[in-house]
Amino acid sequence: DTAVSQTPKYLVTQMGNDKSIKCEQNLGHDTMYWYKQDSKKFLKIMFSYNNKELIINETVPNRFSPKSPDKAHLNLHINSLELGDSAVYFCASSQGRGPQETQYFGPGTRLLVL
Amino acid sequence: AQTVTQSQPEMSVQEAETVTLSCTYDTSESDYYLFWYKQPPSRQMILVIRQEAYKQQNATENRFSVNFQKAAKSFSLKISDSQLGDAAMYFCSNAGGTSYGKLTFGQGTILTVHP
Repeated sequence: DTAVSQTPKYLVTQMGNDKSIKCEQNLGHDTMYWYKQDSKKFLKIMFSYNNKELIINETVPNRFSPKSPDKAHLNLHINSLELGDSAVYFCASSQGRGPQETQYFGPGTRLLVL
Repeated sequence: AQTVTQSQPEMSVQEAETVTLSCTYDTSESDYYLFWYKQPPSRQMILVIRQEAYKQQNATENRFSVNFQKAAKSFSLKISDSQLGDAAMYFCSNAGGTSYGKLTFGQGTILTVHP
């Protein structure tokens, strides 16, 4: 059973389009995260939800909007895609929201904007 | 604010040998946690080892151990008896005590294991 899953794994789209990435965890965790890994492999947190409440909201363009319908799911919607949005997006989850928590990562979604 | 620096973009090791990956960090928090994550070619990030800053004892997990030097803000990862499956990109990261699990990552070190 996959602990943290993401769909789709690959996404190729045109500039200006709107797309969504979905994440689901079956670990019973309370906290979920979105990270962006750029072409140089640099990883940066974008958002985090704890029990459907937004607790981390980093400085990202407001074209990015996370949504957590329940604590097992965290989606990322991106409006008006730009070339610079091309990256690998990782979802992660942890039991709690503290800094000591081990985060479990999904396999990533590779987004390519043409 | 947290910063994490990995000064070795690439490292290589012979199978069964030992290798050490370097990491330095900076933080304004008195309580924090340090992690090493591994990203194999499959892309999925996996926790290797964790160190609580308030603990003086270095963490160990089987063949993986850390050298945590709090005053120097250094957190290196030692891999003993290296195996081919250890080949991956390794990320050092830091989460401050008030950060809600916000991990700050270093640039990563690509580890190659030669048979």
